[in-house]
Amino acid sequence: EVQLVESGGGLVQPGRSMKLSCAASGFTFSNYGMAWVRQAPTKGLEWVATISYDGSSTYYRDSVKGRFTISRDNAKSTLYLQMNSLRSEDTATYYCTRAPGYWGQGVMVTVSS
Amino acid sequence: DIQMTQSPASLSASPEEIVTITCQASQDIGNWLAWYQQKPGKSPQLLIYSATSLADGIPSRFSGSRSGTQYSLKISRLQVEDTGIYYCLQRYSNPYTFGAGTKLELK
Repeated sequence: EVQLVESGGGLVQPGRSMKLSCAASGFTFSNYGMAWVRQAPTKGLEWVATISYDGSSTYYRDSVKGRFTISRDNAKSTLYLQMNSLRSEDTATYYCTRAPGYWGQGVMVTVSS
Repeated sequence: DIQMTQSPASLSASPEEIVTITCQASQDIGNWLAWYQQKPGKSPQLLIYSATSLADGIPSRFSGSRSGTQYSLKISRLQVEDTGIYYCLQRYSNPYTFGAGTKLELK
């Protein structure tokens, strides 16, 4: 059974950093591209970043370019999202996904002073 | 970036009715279109992938179709449990983009 379990969320002050992790199991992690999607409270879904199966290619939405870094450790079957210079508008539930069909339960990130 | 224009933003329908939600892509995305249902506090659930393929475990009353750059999700014989917010997603090119969502309520 495919499982994606996010961790690392919480409350953080504006301008600070936070790193999310997503532990994958039930499939050969190194064979699949992965991504992070977020959803601000009461808002729609927003694609954040994508990484290729081997980590050689990454893509970001414009609003997080230069601040967020997606990475992966295939030996540990884990996906990461390093978030720097956080802003209030980054407040959201962050989902790890192996699109199109597999999603984690989400982890909440609140950026507030 | 590819824009996905989803309509309607909301709709209310009665059980057993047929409803249709559409997404218009701003350019050709082939069949790289998926549909999701999301319930409050839950992760999105895949309904349709590759524009027309039914995901595992999804009832056959859900179906997807494509006409050029317009994609549709049809729910036949609406059930109470079909309430939620529905999103389309294009995975043709990065950054992948979602439609704004359609909130479906039952009368």
